[in-house]
Amino acid sequence: DTAVSQTPKYLVTQMGNDKSIKCEQNLGHDTMYWYKQDSKKFLKIMFSYNNKELIINETVPNRFSPKSPDKAHLNLHINSLELGDSAVYFCASSQVGPLGIYGYTFGSGTRLTVV
Amino acid sequence: KNEVEQSPQNLTAQEGEFITINCSYSVGISALHWLQQHPGGGIVSLFMLSSGKKKHGRLIATINIQEKHSSLHITASHPRDSAVYICAGGADGLTFGKGTHLIIQP
Repeated sequence: DTAVSQTPKYLVTQMGNDKSIKCEQNLGHDTMYWYKQDSKKFLKIMFSYNNKELIINETVPNRFSPKSPDKAHLNLHINSLELGDSAVYFCASSQVGPLGIYGYTFGSGTRLTVV
Repeated sequence: KNEVEQSPQNLTAQEGEFITINCSYSVGISALHWLQQHPGGGIVSLFMLSSGKKKHGRLIATINIQEKHSSLHITASHPRDSAVYICAGGADGLTFGKGTHLIIQP
């Protein structure tokens, strides 16, 4: 069973379109994240959700909106796609315990190409 | 300046060599992570450490909290170890280094 699964794996779309990427984790973790990896392979956090509440929202355009229907799911919706949105988006999850964060697990990534 | 700095950026070595990748950080962290990413592949968490040393097979990770420095070592390196190794830290959401692109030649 895949611990953190993302769909789709590849997404090619035109500028101006709206698209969603889905993420689900079956680890029982209480925190989920979205990360963006740019063309230079540099990873940067976009959002973090803890028990369905947004706890980090870095300087991400408001065209990006995370949606968490429950703590096992964190979807990413992107409006009015731009060329610069082309990247690989990774979902991840973790659990907070008495000694800190543990069990950090990444999904396999969604390669978004905007044409 | 990135809050997590890794060195070297690129490393090519021969099979069997002992490999060291270094990471320095200025962020406040509860744990330091070492991640591995193969070309076109997903990200795998290798280690999470908040003190001391951890070992898994041929991989060893150490951290010095006072000096805000961590190292990842690979003993008896093999071509299948070729990947990008990323250091990351943070209290919740991670801040990443730019990665070390490691190539092990047969």
